[in-house]
Amino acid sequence: DSGVTQTPKHLITATGQRVTLRCSPRSGDLSVYWYQQSLDQGLQFLIQYYNGEERAKGNILERFSAQQFPDLHSELNLSSLELGDSALYFCASSVGGGWYEQYFGPGTRLTVT
Amino acid sequence: AQSVAQPEDQVNVAEGNPLTVKCTYSVSGNPYLFWYVQYPNRGLQFLLKYITGDNLVKGSYGFEAEFNKSQTSFHLKKPSALVSDSALYFCAVRPLNMDSNYQLIWGAGTKLIIKP
Repeated sequence: DSGVTQTPKHLITATGQRVTLRCSPRSGDLSVYWYQQSLDQGLQFLIQYYNGEERAKGNILERFSAQQFPDLHSELNLSSLELGDSALYFCASSVGGGWYEQYFGPGTRLTVT
Repeated sequence: AQSVAQPEDQVNVAEGNPLTVKCTYSVSGNPYLFWYVQYPNRGLQFLLKYITGDNLVKGSYGFEAEFNKSQTSFHLKKPSALVSDSALYFCAVRPLNMDSNYQLIWGAGTKLIIKP
């Protein structure tokens, strides 16, 4: 158990809908990262927050947004969902950036039908 | 462009034999280097990292990795493979240039299959 929690574990929704994925980092970690993992595109970095502020942006679509709250939990919002958004979404946390290793949650499996 | 390459999509090794999972990178400066492992239906787990110092880094589950600056490589190794080592392995690199953010650059992953 990494100490990072993600809810829900599974999510099935229809195209055009909007969903929110939730992540609670390890106690004491200030950085939260979001990743998308699909079969054909591997692990894609989406976005990073550090202590409530956006720190880095990767291949995140405009339909996707995220935030980190004062209690350091984070939410990833996915809107106008398309079939191609079906994937595993991972949250990870670390003490900071740089050389600190990331600890990954178990993931949320999103299926868009 | 900065990149990380894991040249083998899959590596097959017999149990008890040594294993190597390859990683090469193309980034500016001396980066931080990481290996992660993903077991089926699980999140990624940190294995080991190279920051500075000894080129041979030891990590979890008996794995080690060797940093080779001249070849810009960071290959993952284990002297004797176990069936339980079968998993997906990711190499990741954190560049250190002033323009970089805290984002890791990830390899595509290598599926390691250990046969009894």
